[in-house]
Amino acid sequence: AQTVTQSQPEMSVQEAETVTLSCTYDTSENNYYLFWYKQPPSRQMILVIRQEAYKQQNATENRFSVNFQKAAKSFSLKISDSQLGDTAMYFCAFSAFGNEKLTFGTGTRLTIIP
Amino acid sequence: DVKVTQSSRYLVKRTGEKVFLECVQDMDHENMFWYRQDPGLGLRLIYFSYDVKMKEKGDIPEGYSVSREKKERFSLILESASTNQTSMYLCASSWTLNLNTQYFGPGTRLTVL
Repeated sequence: AQTVTQSQPEMSVQEAETVTLSCTYDTSENNYYLFWYKQPPSRQMILVIRQEAYKQQNATENRFSVNFQKAAKSFSLKISDSQLGDTAMYFCAFSAFGNEKLTFGTGTRLTIIP
Repeated sequence: DVKVTQSSRYLVKRTGEKVFLECVQDMDHENMFWYRQDPGLGLRLIYFSYDVKMKEKGDIPEGYSVSREKKERFSLILESASTNQTSMYLCASSWTLNLNTQYFGPGTRLTVL
């Protein structure tokens, strides 16, 4: 069984700063996907970024990028130039190739301070 | 854009009542999921369905059942609601061969008194 660990329950950072959210996972699978989802207060969960494990290059989406370390089973999310709209719960998730189910971490509540 | 809708944002029920939570997606996705979200526990999978009339138990199926009579609709049923089922319930859907990416509904916050 896979497990996903987010060791930072809460974080806060000043607007315009850079913040990194941590995620580690445990699996015996070789092919899998990793995700960061964002859940703003009272709003819908949306996909932030996705990484395919077979790709060595780290995924990026505008201000969001990941540091994927497959050997270390680490998958951190970096948010650059943070904005007030980045305030949200962030969930790291794992999915094995060929299995549609996601395993989620417990989440990190990120607050951007004006 | 993918749209996943849930029948209610907020629901209050009494202990012992039968509760139906409905989820509809408009993108012809094969796979649909029900999660519950609790503080400090993240999202936990209750049931999922990979086709009409097909279902599989997730990690916490006890006290729940599901129904999928049409491809676009996936219902979660609490046969006899209990106070420990007070939670946020999230529905999601995905299209097979889309890199396992799930799309979520807005959630239903259920309170059982």
